[in-house]
Amino acid sequence: KAGVTQTPRYLIKTRGQQVTLSCSPISGHRSVSWYQQTPGQGLQFLFEYFSETQRNKGNFPGRFSGRQFSNSRSEMNVSTLELGDSALYLCASSSGGGTASYNEQFFGPGTRLTVL
Amino acid sequence: GENVEQHPSTLSVQEGDSAVIKCTYSDSASNYFPWYKQELGKRPQLIIDIRSNVGEKKDQRIAVTLNKTAKHFSLHITETQPEDSAVYFCAASIRRDLGNQFYFGTGTSLTVIP
Repeated sequence: KAGVTQTPRYLIKTRGQQVTLSCSPISGHRSVSWYQQTPGQGLQFLFEYFSETQRNKGNFPGRFSGRQFSNSRSEMNVSTLELGDSALYLCASSSGGGTASYNEQFFGPGTRLTVL
Repeated sequence: GENVEQHPSTLSVQEGDSAVIKCTYSDSASNYFPWYKQELGKRPQLIIDIRSNVGEKKDQRIAVTLNKTAKHFSLHITETQPEDSAVYFCAASIRRDLGNQFYFGTGTSLTVIP
């Protein structure tokens, strides 16, 4: 199976702009989670989508939003970019459904966002 | 919500020695504890995981222990090798609705000195 893919891999934006990141999960996986990774802060959970519905949400401002399409591909949007939004954005896919309590997450390579 | 703390933030060991990384969690509802290894410039990859109904799990040189009462779990790497050098993240997962929400520690940068 092909792994999780993310596009673009690198982005440079300026403050106030908006950005859209894309994540394609492993075929058959219906859950996509997004994380922000910064030095010293580890992986901060943004949100999770399952079957086109946001199922869980972390503690990020409303400038961070996302969506999931019927083919399970997901996009994350950040509006009104701030310098502090510079980070590696990782998505992770899992089967995510049913009554299983343990769903392994597989990470994509990430999108490195730099805000100037 | 859940809070996962990870220590130490950096760890240096001589090749062949053991390395131990410890994590604590706050929510007793957490029931799945994966460990990820992230090499420089690469994505995190699952190296071992443990479920709340198990106290210990081993996979070759890697082992994880879980103490549910104390709410802590640890990663043990024996006979360390230079290729073990990476950042290691622990996570605790809570089942919410039909899925799990993962909470990650802040990472441990492990350096194995040849």
